[in-house]
Amino acid sequence: DAKTTQPPSMDCAEGRAANLPCNHSTISGNEYVYWYRQIHSQGPQYIIHGLKNNETNEMASLIITEDRKSSTLILPHATLRDTAVYYCIVRVATGNQFYFGTGTSLTVIP
Amino acid sequence: DVKVTQSSRYLVKRTGEKVFLECVQDMDHENMFWYRQDPGLGLRLIYFSYDVKMKEKGDIPEGYSVSREKKERFSLILESASTNQTSMYLCASSRLALSTDTQYFGPGTRLTVL
Repeated sequence: DAKTTQPPSMDCAEGRAANLPCNHSTISGNEYVYWYRQIHSQGPQYIIHGLKNNETNEMASLIITEDRKSSTLILPHATLRDTAVYYCIVRVATGNQFYFGTGTSLTVIP
Repeated sequence: DVKVTQSSRYLVKRTGEKVFLECVQDMDHENMFWYRQDPGLGLRLIYFSYDVKMKEKGDIPEGYSVSREKKERFSLILESASTNQTSMYLCASSRLALSTDTQYFGPGTRLTVL
């Protein structure tokens, strides 16, 4: 029941910014946008989340459009260790479940 | 840092065996979850628990049961393992029940049922 659309794969040169897009055109007012990533054979790792304002932490920045129908995760200086599948998830405020779609497979190229 | 640990990274069992998967979190989180992850299907919620001795069914509880006797520990039980339960099993926890809190995941257990 994923409510998001992401490109299946992307490449990024090492040291450059990686910009990962996500469409969530049916998002409701009380739904948050979460980003996780999963490195091969490991558990998903939390990156960042937001409601309507842009957010930044030590890992990434999250830019949410004013109409909230899409967002972009920015890894400012991609490294080889950022190679992973990145999941964009929309989640209601009181919902317990995270619906992970198929995500974007990001490959950072030396 | 939140730490969620799972008892095994890899497990091989035979059809019909009873299988226990253990998950422990060290941050006094109220919520704990069990998911399975299969190629092309994403993560699917099996069970979750918002308090000790409390459990709720997720989307795919059939063939599974859970136990939460202590706040920090959440066990997933396969009463009689079958080959279609071969999967990656992921445990997660979050701080407060029924909230926006982030879920933190363990490293996963890759279970193979022969």
